[in-house]
Order: sequence, then structure tokens, then C-alpha cells
Amino acid sequence: DADVTQTPRNRITKTGKRIMLECSQTKGHDRMYWYRQDPGLGLRLIYYSFDVKDINKGEISDGYSVSRQAQAKFSLSLESAIPNQTALYFCATSESGAGGLYNEQFFGPGTRLTVL
Amino acid sequence: AQTVTQSQPEMSVQEAETVTLSCTYDTSESDYYLFWYKQPPSRQMILVIRQEAYKQQNATENRFSVNFQKAAKSFSLKISDSQLGDAAMYFCAYNQAGTALIFGKGTTLSVSS
Repeated sequence: DADVTQTPRNRITKTGKRIMLECSQTKGHDRMYWYRQDPGLGLRLIYYSFDVKDINKGEISDGYSVSRQAQAKFSLSLESAIPNQTALYFCATSESGAGGLYNEQFFGPGTRLTVL
Repeated sequence: AQTVTQSQPEMSVQEAETVTLSCTYDTSESDYYLFWYKQPPSRQMILVIRQEAYKQQNATENRFSVNFQKAAKSFSLKISDSQLGDAAMYFCAYNQAGTALIFGKGTTLSVSS
């Protein structure tokens, strides 16, 4: 079984709809991240959480919100989806601490979101 | 703010040949980490290789090696004996201890037989 899972894997929705992307991990990591990938732009950070009570905005948080329901779950919500939020979304996890292996991030399989 | 630049949107190589992907970064920090990720058509992000800035020795993982030039802020990836399965998008990324990754825009590598 995959260590980091994302649901759904693909989603098509309409402008104005609320949508939630979910991420679960069995790695026991404290830190979780949401990234967005657009063609030609690489991956950009939306939100990150270093533990259940710690949530921080990333580079492109406008239009998004998150919820850290438990150590293992980190959800990303689009309250009112718009077409320019069409993208590939990745969840990632890492251990807390500093240095060496603690810096490796483990990615989920991604969610392809299309907003019409 | 830290930035990562990949100046080659596309690269191509023939099977069994060697190719080098370029990456430069900008930071005022002295302690940081650099990564190369591979994204095949399956879209999964796969860690290829990691370099700690405090280590002078260049990292190597089988056919993959890096040329880390700290003073020049350069971090290139060399793929030796290229295989068809190496065809993918490659991302260079930077972070400091325990922080989120900062990615370059990616280089699409095609491999021909």
C-alpha cells in the first residue's frame, strides 16, 4: 500500500463549486505540504503544516484553505473553484527535525483537478 | 527569497549516451539541501538524488551524479548510459532544514533509441 495517498485522483468540477482534496499518510510524519503544479511553472507551495496545531500559508494560498484533521490527514479545500485553479495537486510529507534524511519529502500520486 | 532556475525547458539524448541537466539557485544561506526529482508520465514525483550543501563530495546514485558548485550556486545532474525509462520531467529543488521545497520549472528529457 502507498505511504501517501490522495483522493480523488482526478476530478472535474464547475466554476463556483466547493471541492475538497484529501491526503492521508501512513509514514508517521509530522509535516505535511500541499503543492500545485502548472505546466511550465514547476511546483509551488500552497500550504504546509508542521503538526496538527500548526498551519502556515505558502506562496500561493489565495483561494485555498486547509484542515489538519489528524497527524495523518491534511485536506485542501477550494471554497469556490475557478478555472485558473485547474492544475495537478500534490500532497507531501516529511519528518520533523533538521538535516539529512529529515529533509526528504515523500509525495502522493497527485490529483488532477479541472475546473470548467 | 530563495529561487531555483532551470534554464533548459527541453533536452534530448540518445540511449547509452550521457546528458547533463542544469540548475542554478540563489540563496544567502550556507546550510541547505538540493534535490533532483523525476516525474515520469505517471506523474509520480520520484527522488533521484540529494546533496547536502555542507558536503564537498558530489552525490552519486548509480547512473545519476551531480556536479555541485557551491560558490557558483550551481547543481547540475548528469545521467550516464541513458535509458528509455529515463524519459521524464526533471525538477531541481532546494530547501533548508525541515522547510518546504522550492522547485525550478522543470526540464523535459526525451530519450531516443
